Amino acid sequence: NAGVMQNPRHLVRRRGQEARLRCSPMKGHSHVYWYRQLPEEGLKFMVYLQKENIIDESGMPKERFSAEFPKEGPSILRIQQVVRGDSAAYFCASSPLSVGAGPEAFFGQGTRLTVV
Amino acid sequence: QQQVKQSPQSLIVQKGGISIINCAYENTAFDYFPWYQQFPGKGPALLIAIRPDVSEKKEGRFTISFNKSAKQFSLHIMDSQPGDSATYFCAATPGAGSYQLTFGKGTKLSVIP
Repeated sequence: NAGVMQNPRHLVRRRGQEARLRCSPMKGHSHVYWYRQLPEEGLKFMVYLQKENIIDESGMPKERFSAEFPKEGPSILRIQQVVRGDSAAYFCASSPLSVGAGPEAFFGQGTRLTVV
Repeated sequence: QQQVKQSPQSLIVQKGGISIINCAYENTAFDYFPWYQQFPGKGPALLIAIRPDVSEKKEGRFTISFNKSAKQFSLHIMDSQPGDSATYFCAATPGAGSYQLTFGKGTKLSVIP
């Protein structure tokens, strides 16, 4: 049973380009959470999605950031017109139905975005 | 507020010693306190968690102590080993079923032989 799969592991983008980060949840998990980790900081909640629904995006920056979790395929975190301050590690976690971020939620290995 | 304060920022411990990491919170709605272990290049992995109805929880060499009145909790790693060298994050959430984890800033632990 594969864990939470994130790709790419490392992503380099020039300022102004778009970054697309993918997350495939664990088998049987239908809830996905995205967190961002800035250097020397803890993880900060960004968004919580279920299949085809955004449940809570209160941690997402208002502009340039969007997320989706389509019926088929991985969850995508999209960052448009990236700036240097977007450089961070982005982690996805998944959990089965309605158990939130407790013991049943598992994190992927993250995507490290570097904006040059 | 939502903040969780963690200390120290870094910690060096001799092999066989006790590693102690402390966290404090202010939001009384927090009801579930997990600790995560993160190795370089990896995602956080749940290590141990506690609810405030108990003052201590032990799993192997790892123990959480919880002081509800002081709103503080700590992780103790007994007989620390070089393989324990990692970054440790405390976190809090209003209930195990809540999806928003609030993390501390992390403690980088180095266990030296």
